[in-house]
Amino acid sequence: EDQVTQSPEALRLQEGESSSLNCSYTVSGLRGLFWYRQDPGKGPEFLFTLYSAGEEKEKERLKATLTKKESFLHITAPKPEDSATYLCAVQARGSARQLTFGSGTQLTVLP
Amino acid sequence: EAQVTQNPRYLITVTGKKLTVTCSQNMNHEYMSWYRQDPGLGLRQIYYSMNVEVTDKGDVPEGYKVSRKEKRNFPLILESPSPNQTSLYFCASSLMGAGTDTQYFGPGTRLTVL
Repeated sequence: EDQVTQSPEALRLQEGESSSLNCSYTVSGLRGLFWYRQDPGKGPEFLFTLYSAGEEKEKERLKATLTKKESFLHITAPKPEDSATYLCAVQARGSARQLTFGSGTQLTVLP
Repeated sequence: EAQVTQNPRYLITVTGKKLTVTCSQNMNHEYMSWYRQDPGLGLRQIYYSMNVEVTDKGDVPEGYKVSRKEKRNFPLILESPSPNQTSLYFCASSLMGAGTDTQYFGPGTRLTVL
């Protein structure tokens, strides 16, 4: 059974204080690992897809990396508008597009 | 604008009263899916559809039905809702094809069953 564990559950940062969110996964053959951002009361918003170990993707202050067992979402010099819940999901090969989600990390960036 | 829409956004109902939550996408996506989100449990897939008239169960299908008569629409049906179906529901869609697995989510439907 595919599993995704995200840590920490919640993270409070001061504006400008860089940090990383972790997503550990077990999957029977990884097709892709996805990061989403979710604001309160809204649907998840796509951020990144990573397909193979060693791959990295960047968008503004966010950078996602992937190894064979985990992914990190690095946040550099965060701003209050980066406050959200960040979700990680995996898709296994042959899974017919099914995603298995982690419970998310709730990030709060204080001004 | 490319989007996934859901209706209604909020719904309060009573046990046993049949309801339908609609989902529509304007991106010509072949794949559509329904999720429910509960505190501490994350997003769990209810049903998905690979194309018109092709649907299959996800991880938590009990108590739900779906249909896919048109490519753009994928309604979620609760024939006899129960309080344990109180949740936040999301519809998602993606374009089938190699290297294009990104799923786009709707705004959500918050359902309360009394």
